[in-house]
Amino acid sequence: DTGVSQNPRHKITKRGQNVTFRCDPISEHNRLYWYRQTLGQGPEFLTYFQNEAQLEKSRLLSDRFSAERPKGSFSTLEIQRTEQGDSAMYLCASSFGTRWIGYTFGSGTRLTVV
Amino acid sequence: AQSVTQLDSHVSVSEGTPVLLRCNYSSSYSPSLFWYVQHPNKGLQLLLKYTSAATLVKGINGFEAEFKKSETSFHLTKPSAHMSDAAEYFCVVSDQGADGLTFGKGTHLIIQP
Repeated sequence: DTGVSQNPRHKITKRGQNVTFRCDPISEHNRLYWYRQTLGQGPEFLTYFQNEAQLEKSRLLSDRFSAERPKGSFSTLEIQRTEQGDSAMYLCASSFGTRWIGYTFGSGTRLTVV
Repeated sequence: AQSVTQLDSHVSVSEGTPVLLRCNYSSSYSPSLFWYVQHPNKGLQLLLKYTSAATLVKGINGFEAEFKKSETSFHLTKPSAHMSDAAEYFCVVSDQGADGLTFGKGTHLIIQP
């Protein structure tokens, strides 16, 4: 078990392009979370899955953001028509069970929109 | 609604002296509280958590925090700072029934030699 893995580590894209990030959680963890962290701020909750079900997505920043976890294992976060304001670190976390446990975070994907 | 206020954006201490990172929270329900540390280019690491058991919580690397409901505080302390403690520290709250964690803005801890 190597923890939560996120790919790519860095992504530079031109404004208007679509990007997709991947997160591989710890294998026995049934919950998977996505957060966004902008410079000088703490991470901001976006969405989460329990197994393959997306239980909360109202906090996604706009309809350009979407996430999937098709088989309850890895997850993808897609941003369509990227804007410069989307530049940030995108963090994935996983847990087994509820909030009481605490989450394990990946190292993140840093997105730069030019 | 839940929220977290970290009272200091930067804290600078000398190596070997005590560390105090301050955090106040607001929560509608019985909260869980966490401290996470983020070293440059590394993922967030859980230092410790409070989940309604003992109010004094011990974590990794000699850190501890005390939950004070009357003061709505969850300050992080360490008796003696090491150079390796230099990092960004986040106080985090999770309300009962909340889906995600709410992070504070972070405190940058600087250790002077």
